[in-house]
Amino acid sequence: NAGVMQNPRHLVRRRGQEARLRCSPMKGHSHVYWYRQLPEEGLKFMVYLQKENIIDESGMPKERFSAEFPKEGPSILRIQQVVRGDSAAYFCASSPPGLAGETQYFGPGTRLLVL
Amino acid sequence: SQKIEQNSEALNIQEGKTATLTCNYTNYSPAYLQWYRQDPGRGPVFLLLIRENEKEKRKERLKVTFDTTLKQSLFHITASQPADSATYLCALASDPSGGSYIPTFGRGTSLIVHP
Repeated sequence: NAGVMQNPRHLVRRRGQEARLRCSPMKGHSHVYWYRQLPEEGLKFMVYLQKENIIDESGMPKERFSAEFPKEGPSILRIQQVVRGDSAAYFCASSPPGLAGETQYFGPGTRLLVL
Repeated sequence: SQKIEQNSEALNIQEGKTATLTCNYTNYSPAYLQWYRQDPGRGPVFLLLIRENEKEKRKERLKVTFDTTLKQSLFHITASQPADSATYLCALASDPSGGSYIPTFGRGTSLIVHP
């Protein structure tokens, strides 16, 4: 059973460009979470999604950031018009139904660098 | 405000000794507490979960205690090995959101085990 997959692992963007981060949860997992981690800081929750639904987006900036988890395909975290402050590691985690949130399986992360 | 505190200074110990890491929290009524391990450049890996009504939990060389009066959890690794060197994250979750608990992470404590 493959783990949580994220791609790309590294992404370089210039200010003003768009960044698209993809996350494929573990097989059978219906809950996806996105976190951001800055150097020397803890993981900060951004958004929690189930298939085709955003359940909690309280940690996601209101502007420029959006997330989706379509019926088919990976979950996407989209950052429009990136700024240098968006540079961070973005982690996706998934959990199975019935144990939602209690045991989260993390992907390897996408390291975004904004020049 | 809610706060999770982990020692920011690295813990250096000799191989074979017991490592003890601390997680303190304020203004929380957690339903459960988790410990994760994170290696450089990788996503966190779930280790143990302990619920509010549990005092202690063990898994192989790992032991976690949870004192809701002191608002503290201790994480022990017995017979430590250099391979245990990593950053250890504490995470707390309280009220469920849409059926899923969203954990809040501490910044983590780096453990270095010297051969």
